[in-house]
Amino acid sequence: DVKVTQSSRYLVKRTGEKVFLECVQDMDHENMFWYRQDPGLGLRLIYFSYDVKMKEKGDIPEGYSVSREKKERFSLILESASTNQTSMYLCASSLFSNEQFFGPGTRLTVL
Amino acid sequence: AQSVSQHNHHVILSEAASLELGCNYSYGGTVNLFWYVQYPGQHLQLLLKYFSGDPLVKGIKGFEAEFIKSKFSFNLRKPSVQWSDTAEYFCAVKDTDKLIFGTGTRLQVFP
Repeated sequence: DVKVTQSSRYLVKRTGEKVFLECVQDMDHENMFWYRQDPGLGLRLIYFSYDVKMKEKGDIPEGYSVSREKKERFSLILESASTNQTSMYLCASSLFSNEQFFGPGTRLTVL
Repeated sequence: AQSVSQHNHHVILSEAASLELGCNYSYGGTVNLFWYVQYPGQHLQLLLKYFSGDPLVKGIKGFEAEFIKSKFSFNLRKPSVQWSDTAEYFCAVKDTDKLIFGTGTRLQVFP
């Protein structure tokens, strides 16, 4: 079974802090994705990556950056957290263009 | 770019009732379509997918979906729901190497 793990289930940070969300997958998938999930808005793609050191902007990249130094790990970075970044963050991975496998999510609260 | 519409935002049913959740995508050609489910407190998981072939797709837990090309639709169905089907359901369409998600339908099933 594919396993996608995220470093924290719950996280509370203060406005202006730098926040790192980590995601690791164990199935040697090429593609990795970061989404945020908000009620009534569904899942919105923040960034994705096709390969190590490669990244592509999704639909809502503003205020976020990403890092993929190793194939299995994809990090989402909030350079200066703001209250409107309070959300559920979901990581996913896929083998080429096939179905995506999701992690459990990190619920981030920015105070 | 593709977009996905889920018109039912919140559906409430009694056990044993039949279910149909609507999903429409914006334009045709070759499409890959997915339904994902998120049970309370759990991660998103794939219910079923359509890539090609038989337009009636069977998924897990008794769910099925029908791809109707002329209507740009991929509606999810289950003949008899159970309390354990209470969850949020997301339709998604593949757009190049990304998935575009609908806003989700929250299903509540009462015993």
